[in-house]
Amino acid sequence: QKEVEQNSGPLSVPEGAIASLNCTYSDRGSQSFFWYRQYSGKSPELIMFIYSNGDKEDGRFTAQLNKASQYVSLLIRDSQPSDSATYLCAVNKRSNYQLIWGAGTKLIIKP
Amino acid sequence: DAGVTQSPTHLIKTRGQHVTLRCSPISGHKSVSWYQQVLGQGPQFIFQYYEKEERGRGNFPDRFSARQFPNYSSELNVNALLLGDSALYLCASSPEGGYYEQYFGPGTRLTVT
Repeated sequence: QKEVEQNSGPLSVPEGAIASLNCTYSDRGSQSFFWYRQYSGKSPELIMFIYSNGDKEDGRFTAQLNKASQYVSLLIRDSQPSDSATYLCAVNKRSNYQLIWGAGTKLIIKP
Repeated sequence: DAGVTQSPTHLIKTRGQHVTLRCSPISGHKSVSWYQQVLGQGPQFIFQYYEKEERGRGNFPDRFSARQFPNYSSELNVNALLLGDSALYLCASSPEGGYYEQYFGPGTRLTVT
């Protein structure tokens, strides 16, 4: 079992709809959870971070964390073609501070 | 404010050679982390430094080493390059290290031939 798992996609969503991206993790002691967006050939860009159970909203983005079920999700409302990218989930490993990454979900927003 | 900067942008080396990659963190950030990313995968953690001390080390061979300077900039060194070292090397800075959010530089694309 991978430490952080994401569906590789591609996930295809019509423009203007809600895109829902999911991530599960194995380390129950993980404390920090991050969503990054990565365009092809570019470096990851921080979208959201969340530390506590529940929802955190920032503009069109909402991160949801459920520590009991060990999953974190990212919702993108009013999806735009510019949101087409690979979305990476990262989780802090309790033991040595390192970020453990999923392989990413490729999101395609269709005009 | 300037973001994280890395140099060089691209690099081509031959097997067996040595390479040094450089990173300057966001002003005021005290922690730098290094990652390796190959195509189709998420980044793999190499090192984290905070206040010039190594905070964490990933599962990489001893050919990989790093250090952080008093101005919080950092170098990643790789000796005896192998073809498999070809990847995008990413530097990320963080305000305090540990569990805080990390901001990435543009990366250095290393090709080993």
